[in-house]
Amino acid sequence: GENVEQHPSTLSVQEGDSAVIKCTYSDSASNYFPWYKQELGKGPQLIIDIRSNVGEKKDQRIAVTLNKTAKHFSLHITETQPEDSAVYFCAASPTFEGGSEKLVFGKGTKLTVNP
Amino acid sequence: NAGVTQTPKFQVLKTGQSMTLQCAQDMNHNSMYWYRQDPGMGLRLIYYSASEGTTDKGEVPNGYNVSRLNKREFSLRLESAAPSQTSVYFCASSALEGRGPQHFGDGTRLSIL
Repeated sequence: GENVEQHPSTLSVQEGDSAVIKCTYSDSASNYFPWYKQELGKGPQLIIDIRSNVGEKKDQRIAVTLNKTAKHFSLHITETQPEDSAVYFCAASPTFEGGSEKLVFGKGTKLTVNP
Repeated sequence: NAGVTQTPKFQVLKTGQSMTLQCAQDMNHNSMYWYRQDPGMGLRLIYYSASEGTTDKGEVPNGYNVSRLNKREFSLRLESAAPSQTSVYFCASSALEGRGPQHFGDGTRLSIL
């Protein structure tokens, strides 16, 4: 089955710096790659996603890049702010069975933005 | 603007007890999902439901059952709780016939002694 590896597990940056989180996946059939942000005591919240027919997508300070040949995708956060501190999860969807995308998640990256 | 609502938020059980976790969404979504999250792990899919009346197993279904009661509600049942089922459980839903962003509830924190 699909396996998603996420690095690093923890990341500490200074406010205003950029942060990059990387994920690799194993199933070449995966075609949907969302990123989620999880704050303490809350459920994951989608922040950006990309499908395999595009290589990059941006939304203000957040961008995701996808390299299907190498089977990896990355989250880029620019001009980080303390409120960006959270746990970030990547995911990949290897199948679309029975009318649902079945996501496989990475183990998460705890991002700390120091003021 | 509730989105996905999970009840209860916290629960402590003894080994062998049974319990049902409730989930309801008000976004008219077709697909619903149950995940568990353990420390240092990502989210792992337990069961999902593509539409009302259908359910299917995910990655870690053993020890659980589900019911898609109607389009809004998807419940997760532990028939005989075990300490290994201590976890945070998240329910999610998605539109676009399952091809779309999954919206999560805030979880049920379950401890089994």
